[in-house]
Parts: sequence; C-alpha cells; structure tokens
Amino acid sequence: EAQVTQNPRYLITVTGKKLTVTCSQNMNHEYMSWYRQDPGLGLRQIYYSMNVEVTDKGDVPEGYKVSRKEKRNFPLILESPSPNQTSLYFCASSPYLTGTQETQYFGPGTRLLVL
Amino acid sequence: GENVEQHPSTLSVQEGDSAVIKCTYSDSASNYFPWYKQELGKGPQLIIDIRSNVGEKKDQRIAVTLNKTAKHFSLHITETQPEDSAVYFCAADSNYQLIWGAGTKLIIKP
Repeated sequence: EAQVTQNPRYLITVTGKKLTVTCSQNMNHEYMSWYRQDPGLGLRQIYYSMNVEVTDKGDVPEGYKVSRKEKRNFPLILESPSPNQTSLYFCASSPYLTGTQETQYFGPGTRLLVL
Repeated sequence: GENVEQHPSTLSVQEGDSAVIKCTYSDSASNYFPWYKQELGKGPQLIIDIRSNVGEKKDQRIAVTLNKTAKHFSLHITETQPEDSAVYFCAADSNYQLIWGAGTKLIIKP
C-alpha cells in the first residue's frame, strides 16, 4: 500500500530534550516536506527536500533540523525543544515532476507536547 | 512572499444545500491551486486542484473556480452530505512551496 508513515504518533517531552520524528514514504517520491499545524494558522512548512541531500527552509524553520540521506526517509529533529514547538506535525511527499504542482500525500500526523 | 487568505473559518449548512469556500492569494506567479480535505485525526487529502490555464474544474459534486485577474479561487460543494463534514484547506504554489490558507470547518446539519 502506498503510504507515508510517521513515528511516533504522540509524544510528550520536556524542554531541551532532543527528539526525532521519523517519516518514511514507499512511493519513490522526490519531494518531501514537514509542516506544523496550529489552530487558526493552517499548515506552515518547516523544511522541504527536492531530492536526496537537497533540503531547504520553509516558512518556520527555527528550532528544527532535517536530513535527507535516503530518498524514502526525511526525519525531523528538534535539538532543544521548547513549549512553543507544541503542535501537530505532518510529513508529506509528492513526485517532483512540476515542482510543487503535484498531489501531496500526507502522513497521519505526530502530536507533540513540550512541557 | 505569498499570502493565502481563506473565508469563512466556519461554515454550517443544511444537508443537501450547497457550500462555498473562498480564497485569495497575493503572488501573481502562482499557477497551481489545490484544495485539501482533512478529516478528524487524519492528514489532509487532495480533493480537487486547478491550474492557471483553466477557469473552472468539476468532479461530481465538487467544483473549483479560478479568477487569476482578481487573484481568487473558490471551492463549491453541491448537495452536501454528512460525510462532507471536515476541515477544508486551500493552497497556492510559490517558490517550490505550497502556501496554505487557515482552513474552513464545514459542518453539515441534518
């Protein structure tokens, strides 16, 4: 089954404790991205990647890191989480045929609470 | 940069009636305008999209219209059903990103 998976689905942590949220897709997509979703703000892009070893900042990259060592995986790293990073996070992927003008396939989301 | 505004934030309609959600965008270079539906506890899912060389597109009960001159596009859902209850997002492409509206919660009243 074609899908985007994220782990963990729920995470409670404390300020300053490094964490990683994994994202994997099995559709051989070139483009992958991370979003955060907050009430009243819609989805805001954190980072995106157009292919292996190619990553770039989105609109809200501060406090986050990513890497793209393999085509299928795109982990999101919070080196020192803070309470303002409490949010719902989504990973998405799409074939990079015409830039971002393709269907994006979303994972199920990771709900993060930073105390 | 691109800014996408979406209205209304909440829309309540009677089952069987039509629903219209509107979005405006600021980047005249945007050429791709998708609409996504997000059900409770799930990630957004594409329901329809339109490109700048087309003024209208339909898929059964769903249609999208685009006015490039005025920089606005709209989602139309006819004969609404209970399963249409969800949050709907519009978006516009800009510089290798999709910029999203804030979302509309659609409530279908029985």
